[in-house]
Amino acid sequence: ETGVTQSPTHLIKTRGQQVTLRCSSQSGHNTVSWYQQALGQGPQFIFQYYREEENGRGNFPPRFSGLQFPNYSSELNVNALELDDSALYLCASSLDTGGRNEQFFGPGTRLTVL
Amino acid sequence: KNEVEQSPQNLTAQEGEFITINCSYSVGISALHWLQQHPGGGIVSLFMLSSGKKKHGRLIATINIQEKHSSLHITASHPRDSAVYICAVRSGHKLIFGTGTRLQVFP
Repeated sequence: ETGVTQSPTHLIKTRGQQVTLRCSSQSGHNTVSWYQQALGQGPQFIFQYYREEENGRGNFPPRFSGLQFPNYSSELNVNALELDDSALYLCASSLDTGGRNEQFFGPGTRLTVL
Repeated sequence: KNEVEQSPQNLTAQEGEFITINCSYSVGISALHWLQQHPGGGIVSLFMLSSGKKKHGRLIATINIQEKHSSLHITASHPRDSAVYICAVRSGHKLIFGTGTRLQVFP
């Protein structure tokens, strides 16, 4: 077990709704990254937060937003949900931003948009 | 063309067989990761490499920076090795993932 937790485990929403996913980082880790994994695909980088600031973003629209809190837990918010947002959302925590340390993944939140 | 390509996409083996999964990438990287994903989604980091070779138990990972290629080997495969194995490269702030290799090991 990595020490990274995510909630909820599963979630069903309808198109147009908003959703908040939560991630609790491994103790002492100051960096969190969020990924979207569609069925049968590899994860896609959404964004990374370092010390409460967004520190890099993938090809995702602004309706995907995030927050990182002083205790390094974080949230992923998705507004105006679309059917294609159905996926497994993974967060991963690490100790720095330079890629010199491993990322530890949470178990994921499976989001279904109907 | 994907920036990270894995082969094969699917792999079936008998218990005890030696397994190789390949990963090629086309971007500059600072590190390459091999990850294991079980049904249900949880991802476990197996290796992080920037050069050479690493070994952990029955798993061996190699990387050739000049060739932009990495391999993951499993010796004496076991049914509990059945999972999806994903190669991911660190490029700047982000990890770029391959689509994974689904491995099934039968007794």
